[in-house]
Parts: sequence; structure tokens; C-alpha cells
Amino acid sequence: ETGVTQSPTHLIKTRGQQVTLRCSSQSGHNTVSWYQQALGQGPQFIFQYYREEENGRGNFPPRFSGLQFPNYSSELNVNALELDDSALYLCASSYGTGALNTEAFFGQGTRLTVV
Amino acid sequence: SQQGEEDPQALSIQEGENATMNCSYKTSINNLQWYRQNSGRGLVHLILIRSNEREKHSGRLRVTLDTSKKSSSLLITASRAADTASYFCATTDPWGYGKLTFGQGTILTVHP
Repeated sequence: ETGVTQSPTHLIKTRGQQVTLRCSSQSGHNTVSWYQQALGQGPQFIFQYYREEENGRGNFPPRFSGLQFPNYSSELNVNALELDDSALYLCASSYGTGALNTEAFFGQGTRLTVV
Repeated sequence: SQQGEEDPQALSIQEGENATMNCSYKTSINNLQWYRQNSGRGLVHLILIRSNEREKHSGRLRVTLDTSKKSSSLLITASRAADTASYFCATTDPWGYGKLTFGQGTILTVHP
């Protein structure tokens, strides 16, 4: 158990809908990163939040957005869902950023299916 | 985009044998981390090696890093059926904020 929890575990949405995924970080961690993992691929970085601010972003369109709360939990929001958004979404919790960033601990993921 | 490649893409061995997986990357790194993933669920952190380290051990795991060749290897000794999983290497770069760039992974199957 990493202490990082994600909800829900599975989700089915229709194309064009919006979805919100949630992540609670490990105690003592102040950085949350989100990754998208398509079937058979390695995870791809979406963005990172550090102390409630977006700290970096991968090659994902603006319809992928996020929030980090004062308790360092986080949300990932995806608008106008497309079929290609079907994937496992992983949240990772760590402490610090940049060269001081520690190893990341992942939640169990949310399996999103867009139909 | 993926940082590099893992080799082999799939590995099948018998229980008790050693398993070696290799990872290559393209740019300078701050550190390299290895993760295990069971059945498409969450990633489990195995070991972190910093760019100024050459070898690290943790239980049955041995990781080496060769920054001149931009490569790393993960050795699992005396493998068990429970080691069956996908293994990923991931790097962080020296200038960034700690984002992980993953390889494609190696699927390890250990037969009892």
C-alpha cells in the first residue's frame, strides 16, 4: 500500500461528456502528478501540481485540466471526452519538485472507458 | 513521448532463474527509477538510482546505471512466480520539475 488513493476505480463515459478523477496524496507529500497510460504503453505525463499550482505540463490539450487542494489532494478533469481518452489514469504523489523531487508513489489508477 | 526503450519487450523464464531487463534513454538524467505493474493496475516503486551512482541493491534487485551509454539494467535474482508483471524504467531530467518519462516496459513471465 502506497497511501495514494484514487477514485473511482472504473468509469464508463460517453463521447463528449466530462469526467473528474480524484486522488489523495500520501501523508507528507506536497506534489501530485497525473499520467495517462494507454493499453500496452508506458505512462505519459499529463501535468504536475506543486503546492496548489500547476508546475509543469505534458503534451496534452487544454481540455485536460486539474486542481490541487490545500490538503494536497488533486483532481483531473477532462472535458469533451474522445474515444482516444480511454486509458488508465494514474496519480503519483511525491515530495518537492525539480532536483529535490523524491521518488513517486502511485495510486491504483482509474480505468476510464469512453464509448 | 517516450524517453527510451526497454529490452526485451517480453521475457519468459522459469522460477529460480535470474531475469535481466535493460533500459536505454536519450537525454541527461537526474535519476532513474524502476517500477513494477501488475495486471494494468498501479505502479509499484522498486528502486531509484541517481545519476552519480553506478549500482544499487535492494533485496533480490540489482540496478546498474551507465550514464556514458545512457543505459540501465534491472536484475531480479532467484525469480518467483509472484514477480510476473510489467517492469518500467522512468527517468527525471536535471532541468525539470521531477516529471517521470517512461519507457515502453518489459513484460516478465515467471513459470512455476
